This record gives sequence, structure tokens and C-alpha cells, in this order.
Amino acid sequence: DSGVTQTPKHLITATGQRVTLRCSPRSGDLSVYWYQQSLDQGLQFLIQYYNGEERAKGNILERFSAQQFPDLHSELNLSSLELGDSALYFCASSQGSNSPLHFGNGTRLTVT
Amino acid sequence: QKEVEQDPGPLSVPEGAIVSLNCTYSNSAFQYFMWYRQYSRKGPELLMYTYSSGNKEDGRFTAQVDKSSKYISLFIRDSQPSDSATYLCAMMDSSYKLIFGSGTRLLVRP
Repeated sequence: DSGVTQTPKHLITATGQRVTLRCSPRSGDLSVYWYQQSLDQGLQFLIQYYNGEERAKGNILERFSAQQFPDLHSELNLSSLELGDSALYFCASSQGSNSPLHFGNGTRLTVT
Repeated sequence: QKEVEQDPGPLSVPEGAIVSLNCTYSNSAFQYFMWYRQYSRKGPELLMYTYSSGNKEDGRFTAQVDKSSKYISLFIRDSQPSDSATYLCAMMDSSYKLIFGSGTRLLVRP
């Protein structure tokens, strides 16, 4: 168990809808990362937060947004969902910027 | 060209074999190198973390980094069927984004 908790484990929704994925980092970790994993794209970095502030941005779509709250948990919001957004979404946390990342078990999103 | 290249496999070996997994990269700014193991439907699990050229050993696992050749390797000794998984290399530069290879599927046959 990595200590990173993601909810929900599975999510099935329709195109055009909006969903929120939640992540609780390991105790003591200040950085939270979001990744998307699909069969043909591998693990794609979306965004990183450090102690509530956005630190780095990857290939995150404008329809997606995230934030990290004062208690350090993070949420990833996906809106106007499309079929191609179906994927595994992973959250990871680390102590600091160059520390190794520890991953949760992901949220499997299916858009129908 | 991808920043990190990794052979997708699958790589099939008999139990007890030494496994060699490799990645090449193009960005000379990468400073931190990691190997993750991912079982089906699970999150990636950190195996090794290193930031310098040379070898680092942990049990049956040895990570090797050659910055001059932009090449990293993971060796697994005495491989077990439970090692069957996808192995992902990952690298981080000074912007602290962690970039993953596409992963190599490993199958260890009993």
C-alpha cells in the first residue's frame, strides 16, 4: 500500500458530463501529481501541485482542471467529457520536488 | 521523437533467469531516474530511485545509469513468476516533471 488514496475506484458517465476525482496524498507529502494512462498513450503527466500552488503543467486539456486544498488533498475535475477521455487517472504524491513519486491505484473512468 | 524510449516487449523469460530492461532518453537535462513496476489494474509501484551515474542495488534489483550514453537499465536476478508485470522507466529534469517510458511487459514462465 503506497499510502495514496484515490476515490472513486470506478466511474461510468456519459459524454458531456462532468466528474470529480479525489486524491489524498501520503502523510507528510506536499506534492501531488495527476497522470492519465490510456492503452495507446502510456502514462501522461497532467499537472503538479506543491503545498497548494500549481508547480508544473503537462498536456492537460482546457476542459480539465485541478486544485490542491489546504489539507493537501487534491481534486481533478473533468468536464464536457468525450469518449476519448476514458482512461485510468492516477494521483501520485511526493515529499518534495525531486523526490520519488508514490502512486495510488487510480480511478478508472469510462465515458459512454 | 519521444523523450524516453522503451521497448514495449513482451519479454518472456524462464523462472530464475536474469532480466535486463532498458530505456534510452534524449534530454540531457534529466537528473533523476526511477523504475516502477505496474501490475494490471494497479498503480505504478516504485522499485528504484537514483540520481547519479553508476549502479544501485536493492535485493534482486540493480539499477544502472549511464548519463554519457543517455541509457538506463534495470536488472532482475533470479526472476520469479511474481515479477511478471509492466516495468516503467521514468525520468525527471529540473522542472520536476516526471516523464515515463511506455513500459515493457515482462512474463516470467514457471
